[in-house]
Amino acid sequence: DGGITQSPKYLFRKEGQNVTLSCEQNLNHDAMYWYRQDPGQGLRLIYYSQIVNDFQKGDIAEGYSVSREKKESFPLTVTSAQKNPTAFYLCAIRDRLDGYTFGSGTRLTVV
Amino acid sequence: QKEVEQNSGPLSVPEGAIASLNCTYSDRGSQSFFWYRQYSGKSPELIMSIYSNGDKEDGRFTAQLNKASQYVSLLIRDSQPSDSATYLCAVNYFGNEKLTFGTGTRLTIIP
Repeated sequence: DGGITQSPKYLFRKEGQNVTLSCEQNLNHDAMYWYRQDPGQGLRLIYYSQIVNDFQKGDIAEGYSVSREKKESFPLTVTSAQKNPTAFYLCAIRDRLDGYTFGSGTRLTVV
Repeated sequence: QKEVEQNSGPLSVPEGAIASLNCTYSDRGSQSFFWYRQYSGKSPELIMSIYSNGDKEDGRFTAQLNKASQYVSLLIRDSQPSDSATYLCAVNYFGNEKLTFGTGTRLTIIP
């Protein structure tokens, strides 16, 4: 995973429940990203952060929240306002080649 | 809306042949281009990056960029069954801190 750890690997959410996905990195990178992947829709950006204590909304931020209190950590909360949260969630850092390195992902399912 | 377009496939190629994957993008201000490989149930991994017009080779992979025609392609020589995966094209637009992804092309190598 190139120093990016996502947990848990699988997560089940009940209706009306908030859940938090963890993303930790030990590569000392400033920029971190959260993407959502649905079948046939590619990767869509939820939130990103370029520096501690600062983050920006991506294309589909509604129903999600993030924090960036430490450089190493960028957790994503899927709130009850997100009506269709079942998806594969990917955290990424931006590496020296200007591309991304992704974590192993969290697969979230609503039960 | 900046877009990245890929043929979703599936693309079937005999083992040992050349697989050709194509991607077009909408914004002439695009700066850097990436190809990712994603196995089923796994996160994407970076396999090629290209920044200048022309070809860039790395082992069995060759990325080709034509900024005038706004397309980038990936050639895989001597295709192996292990190359069977979904290939994602991603583009970074100048001044933009995020990558924009295509929906991916599913490639199957037939033994």
